[in-house]
Amino acid sequence: TQLLEQSPQFLSIQEGENLTVYCNSSSVFSSLQWYRQEPGEGPVLLVTVVTGGEVKKLKRLTFQFGDARKDSSLHITAAQPGDTGLYLCAGADGNYGQNFVFGPGTRLSVLP
Amino acid sequence: GAVVSQHPSWVICKSGTSVKIECRSLDFQATTMFWYRQFPKQSLMLMATSNEGSKATYEQGVEKDKFLINHASLTLSTLTVTSAHPEDSSFYICSARSPRELFFGEGSRLTVL
Repeated sequence: TQLLEQSPQFLSIQEGENLTVYCNSSSVFSSLQWYRQEPGEGPVLLVTVVTGGEVKKLKRLTFQFGDARKDSSLHITAAQPGDTGLYLCAGADGNYGQNFVFGPGTRLSVLP
Repeated sequence: GAVVSQHPSWVICKSGTSVKIECRSLDFQATTMFWYRQFPKQSLMLMATSNEGSKATYEQGVEKDKFLINHASLTLSTLTVTSAHPEDSSFYICSARSPRELFFGEGSRLTVL
């Protein structure tokens, strides 16, 4: 059974600080997705990374896929209260990425 | 990105009644959809995989007769919570799979009185 771990599970920081969230597994994934979920809403896809070592940027968010495609990180620069939410990573495996495994999530709170 | 719509977003019902939740992929065809349950401050718990034109695949511990899933078309899957009880109160979320990514619905909050 594949498992995805995320760390930290909870993070509370002040506005303007930087932070990094990690997503780790012992399994190789064909792709990995990051989602953000706000209370009472469904998760929203932020990014998909596919190639080992790939780095993608989305404004103040930087996503990296590990060289071995087993782990990923999400770095937020100058966090804002609007970044508050539950961040989920999900790994897709199988030849056609048909199976998705979710991490337990990192709950981020950015205080003004 | 692709759009997945869930309806209703909030439903309150009496114990013993059945509730149907719809999940639609609005701009792409989804042969596979997923249903999740989410408890407060927790991650998503996969309940079942819904396959168009065939029976759903349920995760261990999920009652098939309790949570009926129908995937009658490439853009619609429904989850029916039968004879709902207060312990079924939860946030239910669906997702639809494109070739490489999952897109989620807005979620449906079920409260059973």
